[in-house]
Amino acid sequence: AQSVTQLDSQVPVFEEAPVELRCNYSSSVSVYLFWYVQYPNQGLQLLLKYLSGSTLVKGINGFEAEFNKSQTSFHLRKPSVHISDTAEYFCAALPTSNTGKLIFGQGTTLQVKP
Amino acid sequence: KAGVTQTPRYLIKTRGQQVTLSCSPISGHRSVSWYQQTPGQGLQFLFEYFSETQRNKGNFPGRFSGRQFSNSRSEMNVSTLELGDSALYLCASSTSGDQPQHFGDGTRLSIL
Repeated sequence: AQSVTQLDSQVPVFEEAPVELRCNYSSSVSVYLFWYVQYPNQGLQLLLKYLSGSTLVKGINGFEAEFNKSQTSFHLRKPSVHISDTAEYFCAALPTSNTGKLIFGQGTTLQVKP
Repeated sequence: KAGVTQTPRYLIKTRGQQVTLSCSPISGHRSVSWYQQTPGQGLQFLFEYFSETQRNKGNFPGRFSGRQFSNSRSEMNVSTLELGDSALYLCASSTSGDQPQHFGDGTRLSIL
């Protein structure tokens, strides 16, 4: 079975400060890892993905994440946040066995304060 | 390239009714997955279709069903609606079931 745990339900941060949103996964099979962002009344937008290769992946809007196999983590980081980054962020795992089934964490609400 | 389109955006139904939601995937995408999003349970996988065949199914009762057409468009049907079915239903498409999924804006279903 697979599971994804986002360690913080809410992360408040001041504008222009750095932020890290934490994600751990558990899986008995190989998985791909993703971060999605959801703005109010919208669907999920893909921020970045780890499929293979370099463990540091860069995404849109200045976000990056590092895959750590030994710690089974995939934390999301941004060096300087903007008010517009306020949203809910989801970490997700997709088994590589072509199941079409994303397993999501419970989400982290990023609140950027002026 | 047009994104994933879900219709309608909002629906209000009463208990016992049935509802059909529609999803048009990105052109060229053959895999369509459906998810239910609620405040209490988060994002949960309903099922995935590829080339008109259901390949994977989540832990939902048989009242939840779906289908996919030859043009990859997909529909999801919920029969005998219950209050707990109130949720945002999201559709996602990808080239195949092991590639990144791209989501529509969802259909918000409210049950009175």
